[in-house]
Amino acid sequence: EVQLVESGGGLVKPGGSLRLSCAASGFTFSSYSMNWVRQAPGKGLEWVSSISSSSSYIYYADSVKGRFTISRDNAKNSLYLQMNSLRAEDTAVYYCARRGSLGSMDVWGQGTTVTVSS
Amino acid sequence: EIVLTQSPGTLSLSPGERATLSCRASQSVSSSYLAWYQQKPGQAPRLLIYGASSRATGIPDRFSGSGSGTDFTLTISRLEPEDFAVYYCQQYGSSPTFGQGTKVEIK
Repeated sequence: EVQLVESGGGLVKPGGSLRLSCAASGFTFSSYSMNWVRQAPGKGLEWVSSISSSSSYIYYADSVKGRFTISRDNAKNSLYLQMNSLRAEDTAVYYCARRGSLGSMDVWGQGTTVTVSS
Repeated sequence: EIVLTQSPGTLSLSPGERATLSCRASQSVSSSYLAWYQQKPGQAPRLLIYGASSRATGIPDRFSGSGSGTDFTLTISRLEPEDFAVYYCQQYGSSPTFGQGTKVEIK
């Protein structure tokens, strides 16, 4: 079964850091680009970051550029999001999603919740 | 950045009715890079349509997508009880963006 499982969310104070992980299984992880997408409480979806299969190409939303770092370990079938200088507006459910055909996101994890609050 | 505007914000319909959801882009989107997702409360989004009109694996044929340029449409031919949810369009240009969503609710 194709599956993505996020972990690492939690409660953190403003200015703090958190590292999210996404474990992939059931497919050849090293062949796919991956994304992080977030959803603030009661709000819509916001793309956060993307990384190509070999980590050659990395992109960030302006809202997180300079604070978040995406990475992957193909040997461990894992995707990561290092989040620094966290702000209240970063509070959201964070999903990892596989890039499918034509830029779509065809497989999603169940999400991990990040709450930034003092 | 390409802004996607979805309308209406909420669609109130009965099971068996036809639902027509609109997604308008602030600039032209290659049809190849327009997708639609369904999201139910407490769940992750699910891919319905990619490439503007291709159904994802396992998606029933009552879901169809159309459009080009700046105007795209998701149609649900006959609403089933499980189709009441929020729907998002998404484009994958220089950086992906999502529309704000359309909620399809039971009338």
